[in-house]
Amino acid sequence: EIVMTQSPATLSVSPGERATLSCRASQSVSSNLAWYQQKPGQAPRLLIYGASTRATGIPARFSGSGSGTEFTLTISSLQSEDFAVYYCQQYNNWPPGVTFGPGTKVDIK
Amino acid sequence: QLQLQESGPGLVKPSETLSLTCTVSGGSISSSGYYWGWIRQPPGKGLEWIGSFYYSGSTYYNPSLKSRVTISVDTSKNQFSLKLSSVTAADTAVYYCARQQPGAHIVVVPAGDFDYWGQGTLVTVSS
Repeated sequence: EIVMTQSPATLSVSPGERATLSCRASQSVSSNLAWYQQKPGQAPRLLIYGASTRATGIPARFSGSGSGTEFTLTISSLQSEDFAVYYCQQYNNWPPGVTFGPGTKVDIK
Repeated sequence: QLQLQESGPGLVKPSETLSLTCTVSGGSISSSGYYWGWIRQPPGKGLEWIGSFYYSGSTYYNPSLKSRVTISVDTSKNQFSLKLSSVTAADTAVYYCARQQPGAHIVVVPAGDFDYWGQGTLVTVSS
C-alpha cells in the first residue's frame, strides 16, 4: 500500500502571502495525484488533479507541481476563504485503489 | 449539475451492520468511464477511502476494510449502497459518497480523483 505524508501539519500564513504545501508518496505515483480543500462542516472540494491540472472553477492562485514521489500545492496569495485543511490523494496503485494524505491545516498567522 | 445525497441511519449499534445509500441526480451512474466511491472521515480526523465501483461490475475495496465492506449498485434507481458489517466505535465517522473521474489508463489506472461529493452523513456507532 502506498503511504502518503504531508508537511507541515499546520501552516500559519498571513493573508496575501504565499503558501507552499508538500505531499510525499512512499513510492512513485507518476502524476496520479489530486489535491482537495476542506472547510469545517463541508465536503472536500477538488482543486488539482493529474498533479498540476486545476479543476473546473478553481482560481489561478492555486497551482500544483511534482511527479513521482514529491508534490507541491502552492497558493500564490492567500485569501481569507483559503484558510482550510488540504489533502493530497494518490490514485496510481490499483488494486487496491486510492490513499489520502493526513492533511495540512492552513490557518491565519 | 450532478448531485449526490447520502441517506441512512445516523445511529448504529456495535456489532451490527451500517447501511447507507447514495442517490445520484443530474447524471447517470452508468456514465461511461466514471467510477463511484465511498470515503469516510472520523470526527476531527482525515479522509479514508472505503471503496469504489464501476457500474458494470468492477469493485475495489480498501484492504483494511475489505472483509467487512460491500458496495452494490441499483442502476434503475441511480443509487449505490454501502454495507459495513460488525461495526465498532472506530467506525463512527462522516460518510461521503463521490464520483470518481476516469483514470489515466483504463486497465492500470481505472479511476482517479473525486470531482463531485455528497454533503456527507454522520454515522455514530453506540449502544
